[in-house]
Amino acid sequence: QLQLQEVGPGLVKPSETLSLTCTVSGDSLTTIHYYWGWIRQPPGRGLEWIGDVFYSGSTYQNPSLKGRVTLSVDTSKNQFSLKLNSVTATDTAIYYCARRSFSGSYYFWGQGTLVTVSS
Amino acid sequence: DIQMTQSPSSLSASVGDRVTITCRASQDIRNDLGWYQQKPGKAPQRLIYAASSLQSGVPSRFSGSGSGTEFTLTISSLQPDDFATYYCLQHYGSALSFGGGTRVEIK
Repeated sequence: QLQLQEVGPGLVKPSETLSLTCTVSGDSLTTIHYYWGWIRQPPGRGLEWIGDVFYSGSTYQNPSLKGRVTLSVDTSKNQFSLKLNSVTATDTAIYYCARRSFSGSYYFWGQGTLVTVSS
Repeated sequence: DIQMTQSPSSLSASVGDRVTITCRASQDIRNDLGWYQQKPGKAPQRLIYAASSLQSGVPSRFSGSGSGTEFTLTISSLQPDDFATYYCLQHYGSALSFGGGTRVEIK
């Protein structure tokens, strides 16, 4: 059974870079036909798509995040990562990693990790 | 970008009620839509994929319909475990987007 686990600091200072890693177990990141994605949810609010990465490194991102996002993969560690720079308090959210097929919606999700942006 | 307008944003219903939630897309997305249920403190769980296909293990009281720009999630007979927040997700093209969510509360 596929499992995803988000790992990263729970507190980030304003203007700094938020960095999270999603560790994949139960399947290989290089399995074709899948995108590996990031989604976030501010406390008490709705879900926002951040972006998807393919094992080759190609990415799709939410235009609303205005180029602040970097998505990458490390196939040797079976991990993929999110970096969000120049964070503000509005980036405080639960961040989820997830997997979807090329033509599908997300089925497998991590449990989520809360990242707070505060000085 | 494709905008997903979900309605209502919240509703109150009783056990046994029929509940309908709608998502409208700002452009044709074929049937590239999923429905999710989220309970407090948990990750979303997919109920419906490809607009109308029931996810394995999901009770048959859940159903999805629609294509193009209008989509519906129906709960035929609301059960106590169904009180939660529901989201649609469109995955047409390269930029995905969620609906704003519908909170289903006990009446």
